[in-house]
Amino acid sequence: KNQVEQSPQSLIILEGKNCTLQCNYTVSPFSNLRWYKQDTGRGPVSLTIMTFSENTKSNGRYTATLDADTKQSSLHITASQLSDSASYICVVSEFTSGTYKYIFGTGTRLKVLA
Amino acid sequence: GAVVSQHPSWVICKSGTSVKIECRSLDFQATTMFWYRQFPKQSLMLMATSNEGSKATYEQGVEKDKFLINHASLTLSTLTVTSAHPEDSSFYICSARGFYITDTQYFGPGTRLTVL
Repeated sequence: KNQVEQSPQSLIILEGKNCTLQCNYTVSPFSNLRWYKQDTGRGPVSLTIMTFSENTKSNGRYTATLDADTKQSSLHITASQLSDSASYICVVSEFTSGTYKYIFGTGTRLKVLA
Repeated sequence: GAVVSQHPSWVICKSGTSVKIECRSLDFQATTMFWYRQFPKQSLMLMATSNEGSKATYEQGVEKDKFLINHASLTLSTLTVTSAHPEDSSFYICSARGFYITDTQYFGPGTRLTVL
């Protein structure tokens, strides 16, 4: 069964600190992996997208890594800010029968404290 | 970048009434639109997939007669929650996928539905 698991479920850090969120998946056939940031009461916004051949992708203070062999991804946030408080969702795309399907992780809720 | 809007952003209604939520792709043509619902502190759950001009495909456990989806044009899909009940209260999010970048979906800002 195609699954995407994220850890930790929630995380509290102090402003200025770094943190790393994890995503493990069993999706096959794999197409790409996206990390989204979802602020409370808003729709998800894409942070990074990685295909099978990409190991790392950065977007400002966000850096995502992908290990396609172990089927693991991480999202590293550097020098956290209060505005980073949000849910972070890992979504893996599979390409089957000529169409893309999206498998959502359960998300990690990050709270950054002053 | 591709922009998807939803209207209304929030709605409060009485039990038994019907509510329509619109999802529009503002600067691209969306061949496929997805409807999700999200309960507090949970991730998005796919309700249905709609392709322009054809009937929506509903996920297992989603009542198609209760959640009516219409995708009449390449820029507009609507979700109608019929005879809403308090348990239908949720955050509804749509996303749209275009012709050319077929593996990318763009999310709307969501609609908060509260049924009294």
